[in-house]
Amino acid sequence: KNEVEQSPQNLTAQEGEFITINCSYSVGISALHWLQQHPGGGIVSLFMLSSGKKKHGRLIATINIQEKHSSLHITASHPRDSAVYICAAYFGNEKLTFGTGTRLTIIP
Amino acid sequence: DTAVSQTPKYLVTQMGNDKSIKCEQNLGHDTMYWYKQDSKKFLKIMFSYNNKELIINETVPNRFSPKSPDKAHLNLHINSLELGDSAVYFCASTYSSQGNGELFFGEGSRLTVL
Repeated sequence: KNEVEQSPQNLTAQEGEFITINCSYSVGISALHWLQQHPGGGIVSLFMLSSGKKKHGRLIATINIQEKHSSLHITASHPRDSAVYICAAYFGNEKLTFGTGTRLTIIP
Repeated sequence: DTAVSQTPKYLVTQMGNDKSIKCEQNLGHDTMYWYKQDSKKFLKIMFSYNNKELIINETVPNRFSPKSPDKAHLNLHINSLELGDSAVYFCASTYSSQGNGELFFGEGSRLTVL
């Protein structure tokens, strides 16, 4: 069964802290997406990766294919990073399976 | 220019009515999707179209009928609306139907059925 699990479900941190959000999946995948949804509702694609590591500004995404695990890191977190972060895995069946999301709140 | 645009953004209607949500993308993508996001913010795919052809129909009641007049448009028509249809519906597009292309989402259409 194709499953995607995220942890933690909720995360509250102080501004400036290093943030890690985890995503595990059940079987082999072709690609994994990290998405961001702000309280206003819009969804933005942050990363799409199938191996290794990608970096964009203060955001870093890594994936370990052998361990079936991906992490999203935020360095020097800021209140504007407060959002729901969603990972989604492509299992090769032409559709994405989504995790349940991690609600991140950064306190000034 | 908005890459993926949905209309309407908000829709409030009575049970039993029929309504449509429209989606257009100006990115030249071949693949478009409809996703439903429930009250717990969980996203689930409903339909996928590639070059106007339906490729995914994910156990959605047949009251939901997608239509793709061309590859830039994917509309969603819902007949006989029920309370459980209340959700946010997101349209998205990508250049690859294989799941390994960047996804671009519309702003969502919040449907409330009374």
